[in-house]
Amino acid sequence: DAGVTQSPTHLIKTRGQQVTLRCSPKSGHDTVSWYQQALGQGPQFIFQYYEEEERQRGNFPDRFSGHQFPNYSSELNVNALLLGDSALYLCASSPGTGAGNTIYFGEGSWLTVV
Amino acid sequence: GEDVEQSLFLSVREGDSSVINCTYTDSSSTYLYWYKQEPGAGLQLLTYIFSNMDMKQDQRLTVLLNKKDKHLSLRIADTQTGDSAIYFCAEKPSYIPTFGRGTSLIVHP
Repeated sequence: DAGVTQSPTHLIKTRGQQVTLRCSPKSGHDTVSWYQQALGQGPQFIFQYYEEEERQRGNFPDRFSGHQFPNYSSELNVNALLLGDSALYLCASSPGTGAGNTIYFGEGSWLTVV
Repeated sequence: GEDVEQSLFLSVREGDSSVINCTYTDSSSTYLYWYKQEPGAGLQLLTYIFSNMDMKQDQRLTVLLNKKDKHLSLRIADTQTGDSAIYFCAEKPSYIPTFGRGTSLIVHP
């Protein structure tokens, strides 16, 4: 049973560029959330997707957008990259959006903006 | 992570017990979680406790919950060098968990 998988694992982008990160949820999970983890910090919630729609959103600007596909996989897009966007981006999945559903994380995508 | 507080570092000797503490703010949190993050990796779910429980034990891990003081602790018995990692406490009052900044556990021989 594959867990949450993310790609790419590492990437370097230039300020002002755009980036797309990808995530496949754990088998049986239909809900995907994205988190940003800056160095020395805990994960910060970006948004959550369920049934191909954004259901919840954290305190992130519109430069951060996403998409969920019919197979439940998801993409995170960040436009007009800033140096401060350098972080580990974590995808998490769960079987539904309920408060009692446990969230499982992928290994993350390390983004460096130079 | 401002709603969840953890001490930043803990250093223990191999074989001793480790206790990592966490305080949270939202009394409506129905589930509280402990995650482990090894260097360069994602978060691994270690254990969780439902809010109507005071204690949960899972092999070397013991979770204690004091709802009155909104205090959660994780005890690791017989700590090994492989337990060296960052441990995150998370509360989940609704649909989205809120994480602390993490406690770096350093295990030395």
